[in-house]
Amino acid sequence: ETGVTQSPTHLIKTRGQQVTLRCSSQSGHNTVSWYQQALGQGPQFIFQYYREEENGRGNFPPRFSGLQFPNYSSELNVNALELDDSALYLCASRLAGDTQYFGPGTRLLVL
Amino acid sequence: AQSVTQLGSHVSVSEGALVLLRCNYSSSVPPYLFWYVQYPNQGLQLLLKYTTGATLVKGINGFEAEFKKSETSFHLTKPSAHMSDAAEYFCAVSDLNGANNLFFGTGTRLTVIP
Repeated sequence: ETGVTQSPTHLIKTRGQQVTLRCSSQSGHNTVSWYQQALGQGPQFIFQYYREEENGRGNFPPRFSGLQFPNYSSELNVNALELDDSALYLCASRLAGDTQYFGPGTRLLVL
Repeated sequence: AQSVTQLGSHVSVSEGALVLLRCNYSSSVPPYLFWYVQYPNQGLQLLLKYTTGATLVKGINGFEAEFKKSETSFHLTKPSAHMSDAAEYFCAVSDLNGANNLFFGTGTRLTVIP
């Protein structure tokens, strides 16, 4: 157990809809990163938040957005869902500069 | 830019045999290197990491990895495979002294044959 939790565990949406995924960081961790893991692939970095500010982003379009709250929990929002957005979405929390600890993920299916 | 190549998407070993999972990296800065394991329908669990210092790193569950700068490699080994080792293994490299995001390889699925 890493102390990082994510909700929901599974989600089904249709193309064009919007989705919000949630992550609760390990206590004391001020940095959260989100990753997308497509089937059969390694995780790919989406973005990172440090003290409620985005401070790093991977090669993902603006329809992928996020929030980090004062209690360091966070959200990943995806607008205008596409079929290729179907994946396992992982969040990872840490103290800045330290090892990342991953949650169990949210599996999103877009039909 | 950082990247990782994992040779062999699938590896099968007999129970009790040596496990060797290969990872080569590319990094423009001194790398921080990681191995994570993913069991079915679960997130990633850290096995071990290399930051600085000793190049042979010991992790959990009897795994270890050796950082070889001259070969840009960070291969994962375990002397004797156990059935519970069957999982997906990911090698990753971090930039900026580990302060930022991880770049993962495509993973190696380990099967352990009884």
